[in-house]
Amino acid sequence: AQTVTQSQPEMSVQEAETVTLSCTYDTSESDYYLFWYKQPPSRQMILVIRQEAYKQQNATENRFSVNFQKAAKSFSLKISDSQLGDAAMYFCAYRSVYGGSQGNLIFGKGTKLSVKP
Amino acid sequence: AAGVIQSPRHLIKEKRETATLKCYPIPRHDTVYWYQQGPGQDPQFLISFYEKMQSDKGSIPDRFSAQQFSDYHSELNMSSLELGDSALYFCASSLVLGESSYNEQFFGPGTRLTVL
Repeated sequence: AQTVTQSQPEMSVQEAETVTLSCTYDTSESDYYLFWYKQPPSRQMILVIRQEAYKQQNATENRFSVNFQKAAKSFSLKISDSQLGDAAMYFCAYRSVYGGSQGNLIFGKGTKLSVKP
Repeated sequence: AAGVIQSPRHLIKEKRETATLKCYPIPRHDTVYWYQQGPGQDPQFLISFYEKMQSDKGSIPDRFSAQQFSDYHSELNMSSLELGDSALYFCASSLVLGESSYNEQFFGPGTRLTVL
């Protein structure tokens, strides 16, 4: 079974600076999807960024980028120019490519990010 | 754009009571997933439906049942409620394009269930 590990329960960053959240995963599959979700105090689950495992190029979405190391099974999230609105719980998630409708998300325990003004 | 709708948003029940949570997926989405997020926990997959048939099952207690109806909305029925069932219940919907294709899951706002 696949597992997702986030080793940093809490992180803190100064406004306008850069922070990196870590995520490792374990799988025997060769193709899969990885995601970072943001959960602000409203508890809404918001997709931040996704990465297809067959793509070597790291995904980027504005101030958010990932460092995907397939061999190391590592998938870190970098937030540049941190803003107060970035403060939230961040979940790393895995989804199998196969299985169509059976592709449920497997989440890590989350990292709570605080942004200091 | 239309989003996933969940009702009710908040629900308070007593132990041993029954609760029904509803989910209305994004129009034309054919797959619904249910997740449970306990306090301070990550979301855990409960069950999914594709084209009104149960597709996959996760860590769903036997006291819980779910179904997807002809209009694609889904209901999660929870009986003999326990204190430990207090959690945020998310529904997510997606459009499955094939066995090995990406299909983003769009999350609803969740139903917060409190069992007293």
